[in-house]
Amino acid sequence: EVQLVQSGAEVKKPGESLRISCKGSGYSFTNYWITWVRQMPGKGLEWMGRIDPSDSYTNYSPSLQGHVTISADKSISTVYLQLSSLKASDTAMYYCARQAVATSFDFWGQGTLVTVSS
Amino acid sequence: QSVLTQPPSASGTPGQRVTISCFGSSSNIGSNTVDWYQQLPGTAPKLLIYSNNQRPSGVPDRFSGSKSGTSASLAISGLQSEDEADYYCAAWDDRLSLYVFGTGTKVTVL
Repeated sequence: EVQLVQSGAEVKKPGESLRISCKGSGYSFTNYWITWVRQMPGKGLEWMGRIDPSDSYTNYSPSLQGHVTISADKSISTVYLQLSSLKASDTAMYYCARQAVATSFDFWGQGTLVTVSS
Repeated sequence: QSVLTQPPSASGTPGQRVTISCFGSSSNIGSNTVDWYQQLPGTAPKLLIYSNNQRPSGVPDRFSGSKSGTSASLAISGLQSEDEADYYCAAWDDRLSLYVFGTGTKVTVL
């Protein structure tokens, strides 16, 4: 069974950094890109970026370039999302998802709620 | 800012057919395939349709997708109460170099 399991909820202060994880299982981890999607409270979905776990090649949303870093440790089938200089506007649910056919995302993590508040 | 425009809401009674539109441009829907996602309240999104009109295993055939030019649509036939959710279209945008989601449509079963 394909599963993506994300790390738990985080509460951070403005200016701090954050790293959340997404562990894949039940499939060949290096054969599929992993993407990160953000959903602010009551809002829609926003694509943040993606990584090819086989070689750690990444693409980022231009609006988030420099604020976001996606990395992978294929030895433990885990992808990470790092956010620097957090702001209140980074408060959101963060999802990882597996990229399947073309650009579609066929399996999703359960989500990690990040709250940034002073 | 979303470049894919959807109606904010749609509704129908059980058994009815509901259609959701998604309007884009030549750099996204016009040149790439469209995916649709369903997000039930409080849960992660779920892939409903990929490559314009393909259903993943396990998705009922009540859901169907189509694309024409720079627009796409999702149809739900035989509407059921469990279809109450938010629905998002999505596609890669060649000009922006990112995957864009639609504005989302909330479907209500009356």
